[in-house]
Amino acid sequence: QKEVEQNSGPLSVPEGAIASLNCTYSDRGSQSFFWYRQYSGKSPELIMSIYSNGDKEDGRFTAQLNKASQYVSLLIRDSQPSDSATYLCAVKSGTGGGADGLTFGKGTHLIIQP
Amino acid sequence: DTAVSQTPKYLVTQMGNDKSIKCEQNLGHDTMYWYKQDSKKFLKIMFSYNNKELIINETVPNRFSPKSPDKAHLNLHINSLELGDSAVYFCASSPRGQGMYAEAFFGQGTRLTVV
Repeated sequence: QKEVEQNSGPLSVPEGAIASLNCTYSDRGSQSFFWYRQYSGKSPELIMSIYSNGDKEDGRFTAQLNKASQYVSLLIRDSQPSDSATYLCAVKSGTGGGADGLTFGKGTHLIIQP
Repeated sequence: DTAVSQTPKYLVTQMGNDKSIKCEQNLGHDTMYWYKQDSKKFLKIMFSYNNKELIINETVPNRFSPKSPDKAHLNLHINSLELGDSAVYFCASSPRGQGMYAEAFFGQGTRLTVV
């Protein structure tokens, strides 16, 4: 069974600091990795995707992937109170011809303290 | 212009009733999904449809039946509702043409409360 593990938190980070969110996955055949942000009462919103080992940067966000360790992380630089949300790690298997859904972790609740 | 839209946004109903949730996407995507997010916020896939064909059906009770009249619409019908069905149901779509690299775009969700 495919599993995605995240620390549920809450993770409390001072405003302006770097928030580091981690995720591990069990399916070695996983090919695509995503980070979603979900505000309370809202739908998940895609903020980063990463497909190959290494780092991928987009503005204040950096996703890191290590397939050998089955590990994905998200760094948020210069954290703002508006970054306070639940961050969901999602993984897509390499099978199913692309019609597979995403397997989600339970999310990490991030709190940015002003 | 909403990309993935669901109706209704809120649904309160009694046990034993039958209800439907509708979903439409205007992104031209080939693949649509239903996800369920429980009270602990765990988001789990229920169904996947590609070009009106059911692709996967995770272990969901057969009281839940998805229907796709065309590739832009995916509805969810639930029979004999139970208290445990209370959750937020999200519709999502994905461009299968991008294969395994395609992300999912979510609708705003339908909060179902069974009383």
